[in-house]
Amino acid sequence: GAVVSQHPSWVICKSGTSVKIECRSLDFQATTMFWYRQFPKQSLMLMATSNEGSKATYEQGVEKDKFLINHASLTLSTLTVTSAHPEDSSFYICSARAPGGYQPQHFGDGTRLSIL
Amino acid sequence: DAKTTQPPSMDCAEGRAANLPCNHSTISGNEYVYWYRQIHSQGPQYIIHGLKNNETNEMASLIITEDRKSSTLILPHATLRDTAVYYCIVYSGAGSYQLTFGKGTKLSVIP
Repeated sequence: GAVVSQHPSWVICKSGTSVKIECRSLDFQATTMFWYRQFPKQSLMLMATSNEGSKATYEQGVEKDKFLINHASLTLSTLTVTSAHPEDSSFYICSARAPGGYQPQHFGDGTRLSIL
Repeated sequence: DAKTTQPPSMDCAEGRAANLPCNHSTISGNEYVYWYRQIHSQGPQYIIHGLKNNETNEMASLIITEDRKSSTLILPHATLRDTAVYYCIVYSGAGSYQLTFGKGTKLSVIP
């Protein structure tokens, strides 16, 4: 149980384009989803927290107009990197948690984004 | 949430038990200890969590000291597929439910 699916797993696109990444909780309802970014040889850095039906909360230094997050249902959150540039190239990972107490977060397999 | 301290790297022989330590001396009463691991180029995988009692599941055992200031994750029979970075995270489960990842321990299982 507790499977989180992330799609696509790998994307390469030209500078200036927008890229959408989907995160789905397959076998549980996720009231809260999280988006992380990980640069090579570094740990995961939280970008934003999204709650179903409300606006995402962004961490300091993360541009909300560049990284658009939508959490329209209890099983789906999307991250759109708008007007992507080479410095946005990174490993993006989502996670989801079921409601209640000390439920663990479960992570997707990540999306490797390369901007040319 | 309380900070944790882990050794940067460890080696373990295949088939032997891997014991990964974590110090969390500033843990408070309502904070749980969570363990995740990240195999290269994959998302983190949840392993186990506990409050004060020892816990065991199909993946690992978690031993928490009586004063809760440290814990040990035990992989009973390490395999090559257990080579990964292991993260110990202390988390209160309240508020924004955010996890803060440190640098973890790079476990290398050696044939």
